[in-house]
Amino acid sequence: DAKTTQPNSMESNEEEPVHLPCNHSTISGTDYIHWYRQLPSQGPEYVIHGLTSNVNNRMASLAIAEDRKSSTLILHRATLRDAAVYYCILRDPGNTGKLIFGQGTTLQVKP
Amino acid sequence: EAGVAQSPRYKIIEKRQSVAFWCNPISGHATLYWYQQILGQGPKLLIQFQNNGVVDDSQLPKDRFSAERLKGVDSTLKIQPAKLEDSAVYLCASSLWDGNYGYTFGSGTRLTVV
Repeated sequence: DAKTTQPNSMESNEEEPVHLPCNHSTISGTDYIHWYRQLPSQGPEYVIHGLTSNVNNRMASLAIAEDRKSSTLILHRATLRDAAVYYCILRDPGNTGKLIFGQGTTLQVKP
Repeated sequence: EAGVAQSPRYKIIEKRQSVAFWCNPISGHATLYWYQQILGQGPKLLIQFQNNGVVDDSQLPKDRFSAERLKGVDSTLKIQPAKLEDSAVYLCASSLWDGNYGYTFGSGTRLTVV
């Protein structure tokens, strides 16, 4: 399974944008880039996913580099509720298509 | 829509005892997953079912862990006998057949083995 590299932790101020980076230099052509987040004492929650083009939804935006070797999750206005561990995961929809979690980035949001 | 239901929420047992966890996935979700999350780590996949068949159980310690999904709906995960290192949160997730539109996770069962 292709691996991702994320910073262990990041800090942000409330109501400011947050850019969470992810490197995935060994990504294959069929891997989708998925982001999940895990709030304290809860199970992971789906945030967004994409293949090649940038994606937007109500929670966040996903910016994917042209060579697909890196991506950035963008939270447009961080709130205290966005404090969580954010996981960047490569998923091949073929075969069993399982989600393999790494260590993720712990995001702290300061008021 | 109702989420993924798991019970119990917490469980404390002594080592060498047995324990079972229950999961009810979202209605219509064919694929069900069990993950183990040790404190400070990301979740680790233990087993994946599609309907009532096992797709991947390569990370399941089969000498002590077992799982079943009868009738392709509810699932149980059992540990017998438990070891101290089994202390973790056990997460159940479900998805549509291929999981391409995301997994939905339950809140998990926190197991403490003393």
